[in-house]
Amino acid sequence: GAVVSQHPSRVICKSGTSVKIECRSLDFQATTMFWYRQFPKKSLMLMATSNEGSKATYEQGVEKDKFLINHASLTLSTLTVTSAHPEDSSFYICSAREDSRSSYNEQFFGPGTRLTVL
Amino acid sequence: KNQVEQSPQSLIILEGKNCTLQCNYTVSPFSNLRWYKQDTGRGPVSLTIMTFSENTKSNGRYTATLDADTKQSSLHITASQLSDSASYICVVSRYGNKLVFGAGTILRVKS
Repeated sequence: GAVVSQHPSRVICKSGTSVKIECRSLDFQATTMFWYRQFPKKSLMLMATSNEGSKATYEQGVEKDKFLINHASLTLSTLTVTSAHPEDSSFYICSAREDSRSSYNEQFFGPGTRLTVL
Repeated sequence: KNQVEQSPQSLIILEGKNCTLQCNYTVSPFSNLRWYKQDTGRGPVSLTIMTFSENTKSNGRYTATLDADTKQSSLHITASQLSDSASYICVVSRYGNKLVFGAGTILRVKS
């Protein structure tokens, strides 16, 4: 149980275009989903937290108009990178949590999406 | 400041050997500590989770220890295998559910 999927696993796009990444919890209802980005040989950095049906909470320094997050259902959250630039190239990882599932409030991570902006 | 520091940054060992990875933290208030394994190009996978009252927890060849007094944790890998080559990340959870990530230790197991 507790499987989280991401799609696509890898995407290459041209500068100025928008890219949508999907995150799905396959066998549980994700009350909260998180979006992280990770640069090579660096640790995960939290970008935003989203709760189903409400606006996402962005971390300091993360542009909410550039990284649009939608958590429309308990099993799906999307991250849209708008007007992508080469500096947005990174590994994007989502995680999902079912708040009543575990006393540890454990987050289950997706496999990640490698974004390359040319 | 809430921080998690891991050592060493990277490690190379021979297949079959044991190794120990270290994690020191200054996160407060402490809720639990987790070790994750992250293969290259993949998301992190949980190995162990320990709360304040737990000193040790095992998951197969992985054994994690926690000393809440000194705020130190270790991850011991026994009889390493080539598939153990990965980044191992120590993550401390604060009450309020914020996770604080260490930078990870990159382990390479050679044959």
